[in-house]
Order: sequence, then structure tokens, then C-alpha cells
Amino acid sequence: AQRVTQPEKLLSVFKGAPVELKCNYSYSGSPELFWYVQYSRQRLQLLLRHISRESIKGFTADLNKGETSFHLKKPFAQEEDSAMYYCALRGTGGFKTIFGAGTRLFVKA
Amino acid sequence: NAGVTQTPKFRILKIGQSMTLQCAQDMNHNYMYWYRQDPGMGLKLIYYSVGAGITDKGEVPNGYNVSRSTTEDFPLRLELAAPSQTSVYFCASSPEGLNTGELFFGEGSRLTVL
Repeated sequence: AQRVTQPEKLLSVFKGAPVELKCNYSYSGSPELFWYVQYSRQRLQLLLRHISRESIKGFTADLNKGETSFHLKKPFAQEEDSAMYYCALRGTGGFKTIFGAGTRLFVKA
Repeated sequence: NAGVTQTPKFRILKIGQSMTLQCAQDMNHNYMYWYRQDPGMGLKLIYYSVGAGITDKGEVPNGYNVSRSTTEDFPLRLELAAPSQTSVYFCASSPEGLNTGELFFGEGSRLTVL
């Protein structure tokens, strides 16, 4: 069965500190992994996807198939990074995207 | 482009009442989805559609119905509202094709059933 697990409901860090939001998945195949972000009073939007191997707003995420993880990292957190972050998975050739429970990141000044 | 538009933004229902959440997109996306967001639970897929006339159940379809008569519209129907359906509902759409998969979300509809 497909499953996405985000073990931390809340992560609080100081500005300038490194941040890592954890995501583990369960899927028998090669999934597509995504990170979505919801800033206060804004729509849920795509932050990055593993297939692009890009850095967006200083965030990166590496797909580790051995550990079935897709952790989101940023070396120096900014206050504007405070938001709700969701890890999501879509099965290869599939249409459904399932989400983890989300992690609320709070960056303190 | 307006993107994905949901109405209403807020609604209070009494137990047993019915209502329809409207969703429309102007991006010519074939794929559309309904999710519900409960605190601490993330987003759960209710129903999805891969094109006009085609719908399928997601993770939590009970108590809901959908239809997809056009590419643009994907309404979600609650027939007999129950307190367990109190949630924030998100409609999303996605373009077709390989290596896409990005979901474009509406602003959400907050539903309270009393």
C-alpha cells in the first residue's frame, strides 16, 4: 500500500539554523515524490519534485530509495520559510497523489 | 487565468442536509481531484477524475459523490451531511503527460456540520 509518513507535526528552529523536514514513504515501485508548501493565507503549492533535482528557495530534497526517504533540507532557515509542508507521492503511471500529515515549520527570529 | 476556483469558501450545514461544493478550472487540465484536510491528518483523497465522464474513488469516498460532465467542472456532492464531514475541502487539477504530476489547488472550502 502507498503511504507517506511525516513524523514531525511541528518543527521549530531559529533563523539561520539548518532545517530538515523528514519524509518516509512506502511504495512497491518507483514513485514520484513531491514537496508542497502552504504559506499563511495562501494556496497549497508545489515547492519541488524529486525528478527535477532542483533547488527552490534554497530547499533541496534527495530521494533515497534504499531508506525510502525524501527529506527536505535547507542550510539556513529564514522567517519567511514558516509554513506547513507536505510530502506527497504519486505512483509511476498513476493519477493519484497521496499526502503525508504535514509538518508545520516555525522559524524564530 | 483564474486557475482553480472553489465555491463556497465557507458553509455551515445541519446534520442531514445536502450541498454541492463547486470546483472549476480554466487551465484545460484533464485530471481533477477532491481532497479533505483534517487537522493532523494531512490531505486525504476523496475522488478523482482523469477526464470528462470518468471518475474514481480515492481513499475516503464514503458520503460523497462527484460528476465530471465537462473538462472544466468537478463538483463534489454531500447527500446527508454528518459531523464527521466537517473539514476543509480542496479541489485540485493537474495537466496530463509524463513527468508532470504537479497539482494546482483551489483556495479551499471550509465546511462545518452541526
